Parts: sequence; C-alpha cells; structure tokens
Amino acid sequence: GDQVEQSPSALSLHEGTDSALRCNFTTTMRSVQWFRQNSRGSLISLFYLASGTKENGRLKSAFDSKERRYSTLHIRDAQLEDSGTYFCAADGSSSFSKLVFGQGTSLSVVP
Amino acid sequence: GPKVLQIPSHQIIDMGQMVTLNCDPVSNHLYFYWYKQILGQQMEFLVNFYNGKVMEKSKLFKDQFSVERPDGSYFTLKIQPTALEDSAVYFCASSLRLGGDTGQLYFGEGSKLTVL
Repeated sequence: GDQVEQSPSALSLHEGTDSALRCNFTTTMRSVQWFRQNSRGSLISLFYLASGTKENGRLKSAFDSKERRYSTLHIRDAQLEDSGTYFCAADGSSSFSKLVFGQGTSLSVVP
Repeated sequence: GPKVLQIPSHQIIDMGQMVTLNCDPVSNHLYFYWYKQILGQQMEFLVNFYNGKVMEKSKLFKDQFSVERPDGSYFTLKIQPTALEDSAVYFCASSLRLGGDTGQLYFGEGSKLTVL
C-alpha cells in the first residue's frame, strides 16, 4: 500500500536556528498535509498542498509538483513553542481520499 | 477556521462493554473519517464514509467496529464489544471533497478511550 517515510524521527534545535523535515512517498500522491501535535495530543493543521509551496510566518512547505513523491516543511528561526511532534500525511488513493500518515518527527526547541 | 467536535473527550470502560464515540463534522462537509492513534505512535486510518456508506476501511477496522451518520446527525464510531487493544485516541475528520483545493481534512481534538 501507499507508504509515507518521514525524517528525521527526532530533532533538537536551538532557538533561532532553521531546519527542514521531509516526507518521501513510495507512490505518487495527490495532496499532502502537515500537522503539529502538541503535548495535549491536539492535531494542528499547518498546511494542505495539492501542489507547489505555501508559507505561513516562519513555516514553509513544498510539495514536489513534478513527480509528487516528496514534501518538505521548513522551520525558520525556531522558537520554543514550535516544539511538538510533526506529522506529514498524504493522499495517494486513486478513488477515495485516505490520508496515510508518516511516523512523525519529534521536535524539541531548546534555549 | 472550520471545527470538528468530538464527544466525549475521554471515556473509561470495562472490556466487553459497548462504546459510542461521537463526531460533529464541519457543517457542509460530505466525507467523514476515523483514525486511531495509540500513545506515542503514528495515526492509523480506520474508515472513511460518504453518502451513508463505508467507502474504504483498513484491517484495523474490526468486525466489532461500525460507523453511521443517521439523518445528518453525529457521525459515530461504535465498538461492541470492546477489547483491551482498543485503548487509543480516536480522531474524527471531515472534508468537503476528495483531493484538489477543497480536499483538506479537518480533524477533531480526539476521543481518548481507555479499556480496562
């Protein structure tokens, strides 16, 4: 079935630094969503992309429009409140939408 | 933004009992989903639902599971009987369309189920 491989599995950043998360897909995907799950377990939707790039503040996401086989999430000027677990989820179903989630990246931003 | 509401936020029940998890999806959405997340693990797709029918389900959607949305009310996930391995957080989601610019899934806050 459709697979989503997310990397890295864990990441520690100092405040003010930049980094990127990546998801590779084993098959062509129609869309990708990025989420942050906070310590209470709530899923916060960050981006939904059917193609191209989107930017929101210090976050920017891109979805490879050509082959549709990977997506990235860039974090600029990391802040303490960015800590949490980040998930990408992609929709590769040919008929019905079924988001397949990656394993998550546990991000810790430290002073 | 659009909100998906889930009730209850937490339920504790004894193994073998029945439980119904309720989801109030975004009002004009047509597609509905349940996902399961065991503590510390990834989100796993259970089922999606459209026009009164299950469209696709995963191996995790056991025979003891059922979903329905009677007359546009809550979209429910029923587990009968429950087993210890059903302990998890269950997330409901809804979307307006499939894919494209309006295919985004909106998730609720989750219902934490503890089976003793």
